[in-house]
Amino acid sequence: AQTVTQSQPEMSVQEAETVTLSCTYDTSENNYYLFWYKQPPSRQMILVIRQEAYKQQNATENRFSVNFQKAAKSFSLKISDSQLGDTAMYFCAFMKPKGGSEKLVFGKGTKLTVNP
Amino acid sequence: DTGVSQNPRHKITKRGQNVTFRCDPISEHNRLYWYRQTLGQGPEFLTYFQNEAQLEKSRLLSDRFSAERPKGSFSTLEIQRTEQGDSAMYLCASSGTANTEAFFGQGTRLTVV
Repeated sequence: AQTVTQSQPEMSVQEAETVTLSCTYDTSENNYYLFWYKQPPSRQMILVIRQEAYKQQNATENRFSVNFQKAAKSFSLKISDSQLGDTAMYFCAFMKPKGGSEKLVFGKGTKLTVNP
Repeated sequence: DTGVSQNPRHKITKRGQNVTFRCDPISEHNRLYWYRQTLGQGPEFLTYFQNEAQLEKSRLLSDRFSAERPKGSFSTLEIQRTEQGDSAMYLCASSGTANTEAFFGQGTRLTVV
């Protein structure tokens, strides 16, 4: 079974600074997807960024980028130029595609606070 | 279509009562998921539908839980004889076959007193 570990329960960063959230996972699969989801207070979870394991190039979405280290099974999220609206819970998730439900396996999350 | 819709947003019930939640997925999505999220934890998978067929259920889904998706559209999740341990946020998500991104609803927060 796949597991996802987020070792930082809480983090804080000053507005406009850069912060990196950590995620490690365990799987015997070779082909899979990794995601970072954002859950703002009292609001729905939204996708921040995703990475296909077969792609060596790290995914980027505007201020969000990942450092995907397949051999180390590590998938960290870097948020540049942090904004107050980035304050939220961030969840790392794993998915095994095709041939199944494509359900997501989540970590416990990291609570990020961006301070003015 | 404004996204995945869940009702009610909040539900307080007495222990032993039955509750039912509804999820309306994005209309063109044929995959629908239910997750449960307790305080301080990430969402945990409960069950999965492809169209009207329930194809996977987690061991977390005890006999008191039942989910349906008639006609492959909306879905309901029923909990019978609720227990305090059922208190959680119940999240619904949907996705299409050609897109691995799952879109989540705002969830139904259940409190069992």
